[in-house]
Amino acid sequence: AQSVTQLGSHVSVSEGALVLLRCNYSSSVPPYLFWYVQYPNQGLQLLLKYTTGATLVKGINGFEAEFKKSETSFHLTKPSAHMSDAAEYFCAVSGLEYGNKLVFGAGTILRVKS
Amino acid sequence: DTGVSQDPRHKITKRGQNVTFRCDPISEHNRLYWYRQTLGQGPEFLTYFQNEAQLEKSRLLSDRFSAERPKGSFSTLEIQRTEQGDSAMYLCASSHPGQGDTGELFFGEGSRLTVL
Repeated sequence: AQSVTQLGSHVSVSEGALVLLRCNYSSSVPPYLFWYVQYPNQGLQLLLKYTTGATLVKGINGFEAEFKKSETSFHLTKPSAHMSDAAEYFCAVSGLEYGNKLVFGAGTILRVKS
Repeated sequence: DTGVSQDPRHKITKRGQNVTFRCDPISEHNRLYWYRQTLGQGPEFLTYFQNEAQLEKSRLLSDRFSAERPKGSFSTLEIQRTEQGDSAMYLCASSHPGQGDTGELFFGEGSRLTVL
């Protein structure tokens, strides 16, 4: 079965440090790729997406992600963490091999230390 | 507020009871999705509608689960004879025509079900 793997269920960084959340997918055809964020007691919000074109994608709140076909990866980064970034982050994919619906990874909880 | 709305936000019920959740999508969105999210897991697809037609159901959707979207607007998700394993957050999402296949979904805040 096609899947999405997020390495690390919990990531802890200091305020101002680099944020790196990892996502790998399994698909023979590059899918559409997404990062969603979920704050406590809220719904999922789209951070950024890759469909076609430029492989470095910029999203909201200073986040960006790079699609690397050779590594089947779509890691999420932010140069400098802010306390307000503390949330759960989900990588997701869609496309023909996923039945044209959104398939999510298990999520990574980001903790930001002051 | 023109986002996706879900009701109720929280439901506590006893095992064996029936529960129903409602989702109102963004008005111009023709696709509507239901997902289930349990602790420590990402959302899992349950079913989706395009207008009033239910186009796909996951194997997760047992015969105790039924979803409807009678007029292509709001949708309901009913769980009959609830079991403790049904305890989860039920998420509804909608998408704009043409956006659905690229996966950009707009999510509601979810309906949390606790089965005692």
